[in-house]
Amino acid sequence: EDQVTQSPEALRLQEGESSSLNCSYTVSGLRGLFWYRQDPGKGPEFLFTLYSAGEEKEKERLKATLTKKESFLHITAPKPEDSATYLCAASGAGSYQLTFGKGTKLSVIP
Amino acid sequence: DADVTQTPRNRITKTGKRIMLECSQTKGHDRMYWYRQDPGLGLRLIYYSFDVKDINKGEISDGYSVSRQAQAKFSLSLESAIPNQTALYFCATSDPLRVTYNEQFFGPGTRLTVL
Repeated sequence: EDQVTQSPEALRLQEGESSSLNCSYTVSGLRGLFWYRQDPGKGPEFLFTLYSAGEEKEKERLKATLTKKESFLHITAPKPEDSATYLCAASGAGSYQLTFGKGTKLSVIP
Repeated sequence: DADVTQTPRNRITKTGKRIMLECSQTKGHDRMYWYRQDPGLGLRLIYYSFDVKDINKGEISDGYSVSRQAQAKFSLSLESAIPNQTALYFCATSDPLRVTYNEQFFGPGTRLTVL
């Protein structure tokens, strides 16, 4: 059974204080590792897809990386508008479904 | 205009009532999905459809049914609502013809409360 575990559950940062969110996955034959951002009361917003170990993608202050067992979402010099819940999801071989983690709630304090 | 729309956005109903949640998309995607989100449990797949004639159960389909009326429309029904179906419901789409075929795009959600 595919599993995705995110840590920490919640993270509180001062504005400008860089940090990383972790996503550990157990998926047979990874087809894709996905990161989403979700604001309160809204639908998840797609951020990145990673397909193979060693791959990296960047968008503004966010950088996602992938190893064979986990993915990291690095946040550099965050701003209050980066506050949201960040969701990680994985898709395995033979499946078109996504298995989601429970998310990390990020709060960036001015 | 939003690519994926859901109606209603909020709904309060009573135990035993039948309720339908609707999803429409203008992205031209063949694949559509229904998820529910509960605090502490994350997003869980209820049903998914790869085209109008292909509908599949997800992880938690009991108590739910779906209808794919057209490529652009996918409805979720609760035949007899119960309180533990109180949750945030999301519709999503994906495009199988893209290399990134499993990237899913979500609607704004429907907040359902069953009293």
